[in-house]
Amino acid sequence: GENVEQHPSTLSVQEGDSAVIKCTYSDSASNYFPWYKQELGKGPQLIIDIRSNVGEKKDQRIAVTLNKTAKHFSLHITETQPEDSAVYFCAAPGAAGNKLTFGGGTRVLVKP
Amino acid sequence: DTAVSQTPKYLVTQMGNDKSIKCEQNLGHDTMYWYKQDSKKFLKIMFSYNNKELIINETVPNRFSPKSPDKAHLNLHINSLELGDSAVYFCASSQGQGALNQPQHFGDGTRLSIL
Repeated sequence: GENVEQHPSTLSVQEGDSAVIKCTYSDSASNYFPWYKQELGKGPQLIIDIRSNVGEKKDQRIAVTLNKTAKHFSLHITETQPEDSAVYFCAAPGAAGNKLTFGGGTRVLVKP
Repeated sequence: DTAVSQTPKYLVTQMGNDKSIKCEQNLGHDTMYWYKQDSKKFLKIMFSYNNKELIINETVPNRFSPKSPDKAHLNLHINSLELGDSAVYFCASSQGQGALNQPQHFGDGTRLSIL
């Protein structure tokens, strides 16, 4: 099955700086890579996703890059704000495509 | 106008008891899921149903029994609760049949604490 590793497990940044979270996956057949943000006491919420036919996707301050050859994808948050503080998860579906395997999560703290 | 709602939000009970968690989605999605999130925030799928049919059972103990009366509801019944069942349980839903290119929408979780 799919194996997804996520780094770092915690990330502390100063407000206004950028944050980068990296994930690697094992199954080369994976073709969809979502990122979720989980705030305290809430469920994960999709913030951006990318499909295997593109290498980069941006949505305002958030961007995701995908390197299929190396089997890794990254989340980039620019101009971080305190409300970006949360736990972020990457995920990949694997060859069967009928379930998501999540990374271990990254706790991001943006210091004002 | 909550999309995925689950009840209760908190559940505190004794070891050995039986309890149920309910989930409903009003998004018109075909597929629903149950996930378990442990104390280290690790998120792992337990079950998936598509149009009331079980499509994923991730080697969960048979003390856990999901039930889907219709495609908008997926409930989770747990028998003989154990200390290790303490976790946050999330319900989610998505369009289509599974995870292929389809965003999943999560509820806000049920925090289960076993005393």
